[in-house]
Amino acid sequence: EAGVAQSPRYKIIEKRQSVAFWCNPISGHATLYWYQQILGQGPKLLIQFQNNGVVDDSQLPKDRFSAERLKGVDSTLKIQPAKLEDSAVYLCASRASGQGRDNEQFFGPGTRLTVL
Amino acid sequence: AQTVTQSQPEMSVQEAETVTLSCTYDTSESDYYLFWYKQPPSRQMILVIRQEAYKQQNATENRFSVNFQKAAKSFSLKISDSQLGDAAMYFCAYRSAFNNNDMRFGAGTRLTVKP
Repeated sequence: EAGVAQSPRYKIIEKRQSVAFWCNPISGHATLYWYQQILGQGPKLLIQFQNNGVVDDSQLPKDRFSAERLKGVDSTLKIQPAKLEDSAVYLCASRASGQGRDNEQFFGPGTRLTVL
Repeated sequence: AQTVTQSQPEMSVQEAETVTLSCTYDTSESDYYLFWYKQPPSRQMILVIRQEAYKQQNATENRFSVNFQKAAKSFSLKISDSQLGDAAMYFCAYRSAFNNNDMRFGAGTRLTVKP
């Protein structure tokens, strides 16, 4: 079974530029998450989708961050314009329905963003 | 709000020895899940072990086991017979049983395994 795919793996931009990250969840997983992981910290949830609807975006800085999950499969996360403090690893995770161990979150390899 | 605390930024262990990573959490909820995730340099977060709060029996997964002390709100991870491949960042995480999107991670512990 293929895992969660993310691209690009690395991105370097200058402040005030725009950037977009892509995530392809595990096939059949209805729930998709975007996390921000700043160096030396644990991941922090930015947004959660259930199919193509937003469940929780309370920690998403909506003045500069946006995300969408058209058709309930792939998702993109955009930052426009980027700030120095946005330098972090952006992790995507997906989860199937149900409560068993196999229904926990599976993570992608992340995108490391450096803002200069 | 729920918080997760990992008080050991770094730990090291000799290959084949046993190491314990500490985690405490704060919650007013009675039902929840606790996790240990491993994040190697490749950055892929891998679920190591999961504990359901309503189960008294400590979870085990091969060389990995937990010591879950619900009253003390403590959830430590024991790695037995440590291997070089165990070297990674380890994150403790909490998820509410009532709110599936409320997942909180600790700051992580970097584990080094010495040959």
